[in-house]
Amino acid sequence: GQNIDQPTEMTATEGAIVQINCTYQTSGFNGLFWYQQHAGEAPTFLSYNVLDGLEEKGRFSSFLSRSKGYSYLLLKELQMKDSASYLCAVPEFSGGYNKLIFGAGTRLAVHP
Amino acid sequence: ETGVTQTPRHLVMGMTNKKSLKCEQHLGHNAMYWYKQSAKKPLELMFVYSLEERVENNSVPSRFSPECPNSSHLFLHLHTLQPEDSALYLCASSPQDLPYEQYFGPGTRLTVT
Repeated sequence: GQNIDQPTEMTATEGAIVQINCTYQTSGFNGLFWYQQHAGEAPTFLSYNVLDGLEEKGRFSSFLSRSKGYSYLLLKELQMKDSASYLCAVPEFSGGYNKLIFGAGTRLAVHP
Repeated sequence: ETGVTQTPRHLVMGMTNKKSLKCEQHLGHNAMYWYKQSAKKPLELMFVYSLEERVENNSVPSRFSPECPNSSHLFLHLHTLQPEDSALYLCASSPQDLPYEQYFGPGTRLTVT
């Protein structure tokens, strides 16, 4: 099975940089996903890491260390619209089927 | 436009009511999912349908009954719910051969009184 941990809440200032961490324990590994979810809206895909290292996509970057069971999402030049929950998820194959296992999410509040 | 729509967006029901949640996807996917999202808890996978066949039933109480009449539509029928069933119910879809590439609907906020 999977065990995923991420901080419950974080706050940051507009224009700053924030790092949201995620640790996981898994019996197998098929990559790690980050999703963004604004209040009352659908989760939307942000990134997928399967190899170690940093993947940059505009203001958002995601890092993975498979040996440490650790990932982080880095948000630069924060904007008010980045206030949302950020969900870490890992794939699992069980019961003959592939599925995503989610962390509880980190609620980020960006202040002026 | 996410390509996955859910109705209603909000629902308040009593414990003796029967209601249904509807999900529709316009992405040509052939796998669909129901998730439950409670406050400060991880998304919980409830049901998975692949090619209109249920492949996962994650120990969900029988008061939740899914139905997938075709690859574009998914329903969740609700009856005699409990207050602890109040949550956001999310539908998602994916290509059957790419189950991790999931697209979510906006969810139905359910309150059981």
